[in-house]
Amino acid sequence: EAGVAQSPRYKIIEKRQSVAFWCNPISGHATLYWYQQILGQGPKLLIQFQNNGVVDDSQLPKDRFSAERLKGVDSTLKIQPAKLEDSAVYLCASSLLYGQGYEQYFGPGTRLTVT
Amino acid sequence: GIQVEQSPPDLILQEGANSTLRCNFSDSVNNLQWFHQNPWGQLINLFYIPSGTKQNGRLSATTVATERYSLLYISSSQTTDSGVYFCAVRDRGSTLGRLYFGRGTQLTVWP
Repeated sequence: EAGVAQSPRYKIIEKRQSVAFWCNPISGHATLYWYQQILGQGPKLLIQFQNNGVVDDSQLPKDRFSAERLKGVDSTLKIQPAKLEDSAVYLCASSLLYGQGYEQYFGPGTRLTVT
Repeated sequence: GIQVEQSPPDLILQEGANSTLRCNFSDSVNNLQWFHQNPWGQLINLFYIPSGTKQNGRLSATTVATERYSLLYISSSQTTDSGVYFCAVRDRGSTLGRLYFGRGTQLTVWP
């Protein structure tokens, strides 16, 4: 069974530029998550989708971050414009469902450096 | 949100030694996962263990949900066990799927 796929693996941009990350979840997983992991900390949720609808985006900085999952499968996370503090690893995860605490599986992440 | 505390923050071992990592959480949970983050940043699932005990080779885990803690045991450690170990939980009282992570335990195993 293929795992969660993410691209690119690394990205270096200058502040005020824009960047986009792509995620393809495990086949059949209805729930998709984007987490942000700053160096030295544990991951923190940015947004959760159930199929193509947003369940939780309470921690997403909506003035600069956006995400979509148009067909209920793969997803894109965008940052525009980027700030220095956005330097982090962006992790995508998926689970079969979420209501009863289903196991989450993570992709390899995208390491973003903003200079 | 739910608070997750992991201890110790750092652990240095010689190959072959055993270790115990602890995760305390502040509220009832219906999901608890242990992960190993490898040097390339990937989170590897070790255990899904909201309660009870599980074993997988040299690793085992126990969660005592009523006392709000979980333990990860690593026996006969190897250099490939090095990395950061994270505990993450889902709030039983929440309608959302968010996992709350601790700050991790940095394990270094020397040959």
